[in-house]
Amino acid sequence: EPEVTQTPSHQVTQMGQEVILRCVPISNHLYFYWYRQILGQKVEFLVSFYNNEISEKSEIFDDQFSVERPDGSNFTLKIRSTKLEDSAMYFCASRQHGQGRETQYFGPGTRLLVL
Amino acid sequence: AQKITQTQPGMFVQEKEAVTLDCTYDTSDPSYGLFWYKQPSSGEMIFLIYQGSYDQQNATEGRYSLNFQKARKSANLVISASQLGDSAMYFCAMREGRGYGQNFVFGPGTRLSVLP
Repeated sequence: EPEVTQTPSHQVTQMGQEVILRCVPISNHLYFYWYRQILGQKVEFLVSFYNNEISEKSEIFDDQFSVERPDGSNFTLKIRSTKLEDSAMYFCASRQHGQGRETQYFGPGTRLLVL
Repeated sequence: AQKITQTQPGMFVQEKEAVTLDCTYDTSDPSYGLFWYKQPSSGEMIFLIYQGSYDQQNATEGRYSLNFQKARKSANLVISASQLGDSAMYFCAMREGRGYGQNFVFGPGTRLSVLP
């Protein structure tokens, strides 16, 4: 069964460094999402992406964040200058196009730790 | 304002018994979708069940069913015949937004522990 994959599974970085989190959505899906979950808290929406552009973003998704679909399969989240409070689990999700195809399928997540 | 409320931070159930996890939501949009996800200790988010706001019947997926009461704005998850492997965090989520965005809003979650 096709699934969303994410790399790396864990990332440790120093405050102020740039990180790139990678995702490979399910191949016939057209909508892509990033969410984050700070330890012990609920899942929060960051950004959605469709047709090579951002379609929605939350107030969390400020100028230090960016997303890109550099080729036909990868979808990346870049954090330019990481802060301690960026430590969280980051989930990528994707879904198909069309009515009745609203379910978002999540990847296994990347656990980011900023020191 | 809290859009998804899960009033049970933690629940216990005996193995093989049924359990209901509560979820209430708040939206003024007539078209919305409700979802339940399971998050085991390993951290991944596993889709369980979906209910559309216009669906006439309650959704079912194997041992999972959704008790959808539209007028009360509730979408409780019922797990029948609980298994030890059902121990996890359970999140209720709602699709909101129109057009191409349609992001999910998640509730705070309920931690379910199944006792042998």
